[in-house]
Parts: sequence; C-alpha cells; structure tokens
Amino acid sequence: GENVEQHPSTLSVQEGDSAVIKCTYSDSASNYFPWYKQELGKRPQLIIDIRSNVGEKKDQRIAVTLNKTAKHFSLHITETQPEDSAVYFCAASSDHQGAQKLVFGQGTRLTINP
Amino acid sequence: DSGVTQTPKHLITATGQRVTLRCSPRSGDLSVYWYQQSLDQGLQFLIQYYNGEERAKGNILERFSAQQFPDLHSELNLSSLELGDSALYFCASSVYSGGTYEQYFGPGTRLTVT
Repeated sequence: GENVEQHPSTLSVQEGDSAVIKCTYSDSASNYFPWYKQELGKRPQLIIDIRSNVGEKKDQRIAVTLNKTAKHFSLHITETQPEDSAVYFCAASSDHQGAQKLVFGQGTRLTINP
Repeated sequence: DSGVTQTPKHLITATGQRVTLRCSPRSGDLSVYWYQQSLDQGLQFLIQYYNGEERAKGNILERFSAQQFPDLHSELNLSSLELGDSALYFCASSVYSGGTYEQYFGPGTRLTVT
C-alpha cells in the first residue's frame, strides 16, 4: 500500500522567512496530494491540494510543487507569520471511482519565531 | 467551521466497553470518512462511506464498525475497548472539486479509555 514520508518533523523559522516541508510517496498510482494544517486541539484544515496532472499550484503565500518522477511533493510558505505556527500534514491518495484513502505523513511542527 | 459536526466532543469510558461516535456531513456531501489520530500512529484512515455504502477501507480493526444512514449521518462503533484505542476520532466529508474529492474534517471526538 501507499506510504508517505514527511520531513522535517520540526521546523523553526524567523517571522518573514520562508518554510519548506517535503514529502515522498511510494505508490505511483497516487494522483491527489492535499496539505492540512492542524492547530493544537483543532481539526485538520485543508490549506491547498494538487493533482498529479499539475506541477505547481499557488494560493497567496502558500505553494505546492509536485515531482511525479521522483515521487515527491513540497509545501512552501513565504513571508511566514506567527499564525502559521501549527502542525502541517501532507497526504497522498489514488482516487478510484469515488474511493479515496488518504495516507498521511507523520506531520511537521512549524514554529514561527517573532 | 467546516460544516461537519461530530458528537460527543469528549468520551471517557472503561476497557471492555462499547461506544458510538456520531458524524453529520456538510449539506450535500455524500461521502463520509473516519480517521483515528493518536500520538504514536498519526492520522490513520479507517473507512469511507458513500451514500450509504462502504466505498473504501483502511486499517480498521474488527472491533470497530461503521455505517451511514439514509439521512447521510454516520456512526462509528468501537467495541471491546482497549487502552490503546484512546485517541482523537475525526470524521470528514467531501465535495467534488477540480476533478477530485476535497475532504473537510469535523472537530473530532476525544476518546479516553481508562
């Protein structure tokens, strides 16, 4: 089955700097890659996603890139702000006839230092 | 607020007992997913229902079962509870967008088994 590895497990950056979180997946059939942000005690919140037919997607300060050949995808956050501090999870899934089994990475705890 | 509701918020019970967790999807969403989040296992997909039928299955224990009712709400039943079942249980529902199903999580039920 699918396996998703996420690095780093913790990341600390200065406010205003950029943060990058990387994930690799094992199943070449995976075609959907969402990123979730989870604040302490709260629900995972979808922040951006990308499908396998797209190499890059951007939404304001957040961007995701996908390299299908290398089976890795990354989350980029620019101009970081204190409210970006949270745990970020990547996930991968192969959608087939409406069946979607998201396999999550282990998470990255991002801390933005003022 | 994602529009997905879960009850109860917290549940404390003893080993060997049985509990039922309830989820109502966002209006119009036909799919419901269940996830378990624990410190050592991360976010694990359990099962997906689509319009009342099981659509995908993850690492769900035989002691656990789920169903989706005609009004689309879902229940996750956990029986013969063990200490290791203590975790956050999330429900998500999905909307079809941009060629895939985007999952939105509910607030979760925190289960403590003593």
